[in-house]
Amino acid sequence: DAMVIQNPRYQVTQFGKPVTLSCSQTLNHNVMYWYQQKSSQAPKLLFHYYDKDFNNEADTPDNFQSRRPNTSFCFLDIRSPGLGDAAMYLCATTRGHTAGNQPQHFGDGTRLSIL
Amino acid sequence: ILNVEQSPQSLHVQEGDSTNFTCSFPSSNFYALHWYRWETAKSPEALFVMTLNGDEKKKGRISATLNTKEGYSYLYIKGSQPEDSATYLCAFLDSARQLTFGSGTQLTVLP
Repeated sequence: DAMVIQNPRYQVTQFGKPVTLSCSQTLNHNVMYWYQQKSSQAPKLLFHYYDKDFNNEADTPDNFQSRRPNTSFCFLDIRSPGLGDAAMYLCATTRGHTAGNQPQHFGDGTRLSIL
Repeated sequence: ILNVEQSPQSLHVQEGDSTNFTCSFPSSNFYALHWYRWETAKSPEALFVMTLNGDEKKKGRISATLNTKEGYSYLYIKGSQPEDSATYLCAFLDSARQLTFGSGTQLTVLP
């Protein structure tokens, strides 16, 4: 059974129209991450939550926001998507900060297309 | 920005062949090295987490080695099967607990 679930698998939105991607987890992990992966590139960390503490990467555009209403759910909001935001968005979780012996647990990803 | 390089970018092998690919990472501030397998339409799946110089890990036909002093890790697949076709990602975890991914090696195993 999937333990990190992302919805939807595929999302199409219009240029400039706000969109929300969701991630839920049944692992009770306290850290949740959002990555952006463009074709043939390395997954790029956008931000992460350590419990309720939000940690934004320095180069994450202001267009990207996140919410974590509880341990199980985390949302990625893109306020005004541009063509350059078309990508695969991956959610991942760990228990505690990524310690040396703990891998990240990923969802299947949401592929976002912008028309 | 940390440099985590994987080579080759893509690889085609025949079923039954053994293969290997490389992950290069900074040799300073090392904390751990992760390997993930990412099959199409599935989620990335952790293969190995390696923390000690000289570590060797094995999972079935897949094994990995680690050299933290020179900053590289090798992933080996013995007797490749079509189901091994996937993108293999490595990720470098530094002492600040920042995880940086490589762009992956895309492996295709031809029947």
